Amino acid sequence: KQEVTQIPAALSVPEGENLVLNCSFTDSAIYNLQWFRQDPGKGLTSLLLIQSSQREQTSGRLNASLDKSSGRSTLYIAASQPGDSATYLCAVRETSGSRLTFGEGTQLTVNP
Amino acid sequence: DTAVSQTPKYLVTQMGNDKSIKCEQNLGHDTMYWYKQDSKKFLKIMFSYNNKELIINETVPNRFSPKSPDKAHLNLHINSLELGDSAVYFCASSQLISGFGEKLFFGSGTQLSVL
Repeated sequence: KQEVTQIPAALSVPEGENLVLNCSFTDSAIYNLQWFRQDPGKGLTSLLLIQSSQREQTSGRLNASLDKSSGRSTLYIAASQPGDSATYLCAVRETSGSRLTFGEGTQLTVNP
Repeated sequence: DTAVSQTPKYLVTQMGNDKSIKCEQNLGHDTMYWYKQDSKKFLKIMFSYNNKELIINETVPNRFSPKSPDKAHLNLHINSLELGDSAVYFCASSQLISGFGEKLFFGSGTQLSVL
């Protein structure tokens, strides 16, 4: 059974810092991995989608890497801003059309 | 022009009542989902429909019944509500991206509180 773990559970940083959020999964036979952002009272917004054969995806200040063999993904946020404060979730899909398994998320606070 | 919209945003009700949450997507996606987020923030899939056909049905009580009148709508009906049903319920739809697999788009959630 796939399990997804995110560390740390919470992170507080000053504005401008570069930071890394971690996601690990127990079964490396994944189809793709997706990073989401969740704002209080709002839904989840997809940030990056990495297919299993890829090593990384970039969007603006965000960079997600994937090391399938070790069962890990990282989300790198450059030059953090207070507006980046949210909960970040990673989710893995094991096969095409299968369910997503979510981690618990990392609650990020960026202080001005 | 909201992509995935669900109503109501908040739902407060008494134990034993029957309630429905509606979801609509205007993205033209074939697949829709219902997820439950519990107090520990874990998101767990409940149901998945593809073109009005049920394709994923996790172990949820029979009191939960999804209904898909067409591929743009997936409603969730809950009978005989219990205290443990209190959670945030998210609707989602997915788009198949060539070479990447399916990408999910979520609604804003419905916070259900059972008193």
